Amino acid sequence: LAKTTQPISMDSYEGQEVNITCSHNNIATNDYITWYQQFPSQGPRFIIQGYKTKVTNEVASLFIPADRKSSTLSLPRVSLSDTAVYYCLVGRETGTASKLTFGTGTRLQVTL
Amino acid sequence: DTEVTQTPKHLVMGMTNKKSLKCEQHMGHRAMYWYKQKAKKPPELMFVYSYEKLSINESVPSRFSPECPNSSLLNLHLHALQPEDSALYLCASTPVGGAGNTIYFGEGSWLTVV
Repeated sequence: LAKTTQPISMDSYEGQEVNITCSHNNIATNDYITWYQQFPSQGPRFIIQGYKTKVTNEVASLFIPADRKSSTLSLPRVSLSDTAVYYCLVGRETGTASKLTFGTGTRLQVTL
Repeated sequence: DTEVTQTPKHLVMGMTNKKSLKCEQHMGHRAMYWYKQKAKKPPELMFVYSYEKLSINESVPSRFSPECPNSSLLNLHLHALQPEDSALYLCASTPVGGAGNTIYFGEGSWLTVV
């Protein structure tokens, strides 16, 4: 399974764009990249998923270069409520169930 | 219905007690998971069930005993726990089939062992 590496923490001011990069050098051909957000005392929540190039939804964008050894989660115009831990996961369908393992995550602190 | 429901939300138990955590989903997902999360740490995978059969056990001590009675329910039976087992226990589910499954998490059960 591909191991992921993220910055431990990041700080941002409200209204700025935040980019969190995840390194996954051992990503396999069948692996997808998924990002989750977790607030204190809550379960992680799905943000976005991608395989290659760029994916955008209503809350974030995910940029994946051609070699897929890293990915960048982009949060446009963050607000105080985006203060959370963000996890990058790499995993694949194994035919029965996915073994999805969390890395250390990035603790994002947004201030005024 | 895109929810995973966990009960109880909070549980305090003594080291000699037997208790259970329960998890339920009605999304038709055939893969269900238990994760353990300590404060300021990422979730750690404990067990994975696929089609109601245990497919992955991450070397979890036997004082934790999972059970999947049907495709919608997942239990975690607890017996003779230690104070260091105090943590947030997260249940999750995914559909089986197709690459890049998205995990749906419950809100967790806070367990305190005294």
